[in-house]
Amino acid sequence: SQTIHQWPATLVQPVGSPLSLECTVEGTSNPNLYWYRQAAGRGLQLLFYSVGIGQISSEVPQNLSASRPQDRQFILSSKKLLLSDSGFYLCAWSAGQLSSYNSPLHFGNGTRLTVT
Amino acid sequence: GDSVTQMEGPVTLSEEAFLTINCTYTATGYPSLFWYVQYPGEGLQLLLKATKADDKGSNKGFEATYRKETTSFHLEKGSVQVSDSAVYFCALSKNDYKLSFGAGTTVTVRA
Repeated sequence: SQTIHQWPATLVQPVGSPLSLECTVEGTSNPNLYWYRQAAGRGLQLLFYSVGIGQISSEVPQNLSASRPQDRQFILSSKKLLLSDSGFYLCAWSAGQLSSYNSPLHFGNGTRLTVT
Repeated sequence: GDSVTQMEGPVTLSEEAFLTINCTYTATGYPSLFWYVQYPGEGLQLLLKATKADDKGSNKGFEATYRKETTSFHLEKGSVQVSDSAVYFCALSKNDYKLSFGAGTTVTVRA
């Protein structure tokens, strides 16, 4: 069966420090990968998605970046964190097109990031 | 841009009560519509979906009908249980690779 691992679960970082959140998927190949952010009291905001190695689509301008060095690895990074980067970050994967009956979005358990 | 708007919570109900969570969308064309649920301590998971107008998605006693004339996808359940306590997210997808989520509605069911 497929599983998604996301770490760390919680993170407290000072303003201006770098960030690296990692997500890996097991049990499937060539998944579509996603990074979402949920700020307090707001919905899920799509940050990046990737349909293949080295292919990254950015949805919102920000000081975050994403990379996909391997088929099932998706990394969210920042060179210098801002206070506004605090939030709940969720990695997700899908097998293919989201409208397909057999291709829902599968989420990791998330990382709670607090920038102080 | 494409977006969904869902009713604000929190919603508190007694067991066996009727639940409705309103969701309306703004999009050109014909998006697919989804409801995701997040139970306490767990990740989000797909609850149900509909891919074209008049389709009804159903799962675990929940139903939602894709109404193009009212651009709505309201979630309903006739008799809720304590185990239905969760955060519910309405979402849409236009290009099959992106989901636009609503803000989420927290539902608490009391015994």
